[in-house]
Amino acid sequence: NAGVTQTPKFRVLKTGQSMTLLCAQDMNHEYMYWYRQDPGMGLRLIHYSVGEGTTAKGEVPDGYNVSRLKKQNFLLGLESAAPSQTSVYFCASTRQGTGNTIYFGEGSWLTVV
Amino acid sequence: RKEVEQDPGPFNVPEGATVAFNCTYSNSASQSFFWYRQDCRKEPKLLMSVYSSGNEDGRFTAQLNRASQYISLLIRDSKLSDSATYLCVVNQAGTALIFGKGTTLSVSS
Repeated sequence: NAGVTQTPKFRVLKTGQSMTLLCAQDMNHEYMYWYRQDPGMGLRLIHYSVGEGTTAKGEVPDGYNVSRLKKQNFLLGLESAAPSQTSVYFCASTRQGTGNTIYFGEGSWLTVV
Repeated sequence: RKEVEQDPGPFNVPEGATVAFNCTYSNSASQSFFWYRQDCRKEPKLLMSVYSSGNEDGRFTAQLNRASQYISLLIRDSKLSDSATYLCVVNQAGTALIFGKGTTLSVSS
């Protein structure tokens, strides 16, 4: 059971380039999330999804787009990367409802130069 | 006021010490509460859920005070391996999971 898998783990981008981070979970979870974590800022929610075909904005959505075409996958896209998007990105998933354990991927380290 | 606030620390304690962390949350509609642990350059992992009646797991005790809107984590007999960042997590009505910025603990021998 792989849990939550993120790819790629590391990436260096030039300003203006685009890329997609893939998150895959094999636990049949309804809810999926993308967070970014920066020094001194904690984890901030970018976008989330409560089910296949649905997405919603979180705290810091600007500059990112997401898609949830399949229940097990949640994609995070950067259309035109900026140095301010240099961060560690964590994907997470959980079952529907409150009080359930949140499972995280191992993180994706992104540097924009 | 931030939605979830924690004292960032760092808390530097010797082995065997007892240390307590507090977390406050602003949304009274919050429904569930957790403490997560995060090691350097790793993903957060669940330490324990926090229940209204308080709960204990070995050396760790979590308390919830809904009236005052704060959560606490008590670690007794600290071990070197307890060194990490502890994240307070609040699940508000709906699906938003809100994280505190974390409290850093360093246990020394």
